[in-house]
Amino acid sequence: GQNIDQPTEMTATEGAIVQINCTYQTSGFNGLFWYQQHAGEAPTFLSYNVLDGLEEKGRFSSFLSRSKGYSYLLLKELQMKDSASYLCAVVDSNYQLIWGAGTKLIIKP
Amino acid sequence: DAGVIQSPRHEVTEMGQEVTLRCKPISGHDYLFWYRQTMMRGLELLIYFNNNVPIDDSGMPEDRFSAKMPNASFSTLKIQPSEPRDSAVYFCASSQGRESSYNSPLHFGNGTRLTVT
Repeated sequence: GQNIDQPTEMTATEGAIVQINCTYQTSGFNGLFWYQQHAGEAPTFLSYNVLDGLEEKGRFSSFLSRSKGYSYLLLKELQMKDSASYLCAVVDSNYQLIWGAGTKLIIKP
Repeated sequence: DAGVIQSPRHEVTEMGQEVTLRCKPISGHDYLFWYRQTMMRGLELLIYFNNNVPIDDSGMPEDRFSAKMPNASFSTLKIQPSEPRDSAVYFCASSQGRESSYNSPLHFGNGTRLTVT
């Protein structure tokens, strides 16, 4: 079966750094997406990785290791507005998007 | 660009009633997806269209659910008859290409929160 694992919930402090991990077991791999979803709102695209390594985009970075079936989203200089759920999604060999359950990130002052 | 537009934002209906959800994708996007999101099951793909043609409806829970895309700018998801277990947030999303391209992430609408009593 296909499986994506993310922590259910994480808590961090405003101004700090947090790393949200995602491990996956899928039939093939054609890329990995991270989406942000604020409560009551739609998911919005954050990043896409298809090659190993780190992709940096402002305060957010995403890392991928295909050999380990592992990715993480790194959020720096946390702000209260970063409180949201973060969804990891993998594109499998059939180009189907397999979604993780999401990680709820709580930012405390 | 107005983004993906869904209506209504909220729908409360009684069991057995017909429910129709509507979606207008971003102009120029040739893929349209219907998703359902619940706390228990997360995001589930129901069906997707390419150039108005249904490609994969294997995620549609049962015959009570149907979806159409009569033209490039409009799609509907219909539930008839509705049941309490259909209560969820239904998202429509569009993209320019297959999900495997970094150029084509999904653009989601604001969703329809459906409550069936």
